[in-house]
Amino acid sequence: NAGVTQTPKFRVLKTGQSMTLLCAQDMNHEYMYWYRQDPGMGLRLIHYSVGEGTTAKGEVPDGYNVSRLKKQNFLLGLESAAPSQTSVYFCASSPGLAGEHYEQYFGPGTRLTVT
Amino acid sequence: RKEVEQDPGPFNVPEGATVAFNCTYSNSASQSFFWYRQDCRKEPKLLMSVYSSGNEDGRFTAQLNRASQYISLLIRDSKLSDSATYLCAVNIYSNYQLIWGAGTKLIIKP
Repeated sequence: NAGVTQTPKFRVLKTGQSMTLLCAQDMNHEYMYWYRQDPGMGLRLIHYSVGEGTTAKGEVPDGYNVSRLKKQNFLLGLESAAPSQTSVYFCASSPGLAGEHYEQYFGPGTRLTVT
Repeated sequence: RKEVEQDPGPFNVPEGATVAFNCTYSNSASQSFFWYRQDCRKEPKLLMSVYSSGNEDGRFTAQLNRASQYISLLIRDSKLSDSATYLCAVNIYSNYQLIWGAGTKLIIKP
């Protein structure tokens, strides 16, 4: 039982390049989330999903897109990376309404630097 | 006013001491409450859920005060390994999201 996994762990991009971050969970959770964490800013929600095939915008969605084609996977895309997107990205999952449990479990994070 | 507020610290505490910090929330419809621990450059990890009746796990005790709208975390007999940032998170009933505090940094000194 791996929990929540994220790939890659580290990445350096040049301005304008694109990339996809992959999150996978093996806990059969309904809800999945993408956050970014910057020094002094705390966790900020980018996008989230409440089930397979659904996505919704969070607090800071601009410049990002997401997809959840399979229940266990949640992809975060950066179409044209900008230096302001340099951050640590965390994926999380939650059982959700199925068990009325809203605690979230996090992956190890992806450290992204955009130069 | 932020929805969830925490004293950023740092709290500098000698090993073996007891330390407590609070997290205040503004929405009275908040239903579920959590404490997370985050080590430097690592992911947040669930420390404990906070129930209406309080919750204790070893040296850690969490309590909820609905009247004053805050949750607390008490750490007894603190260890060097307790040094971390402690995040609180609040769920509003039927909302899919957790609202996060910015964290309280705790440093345990030998």
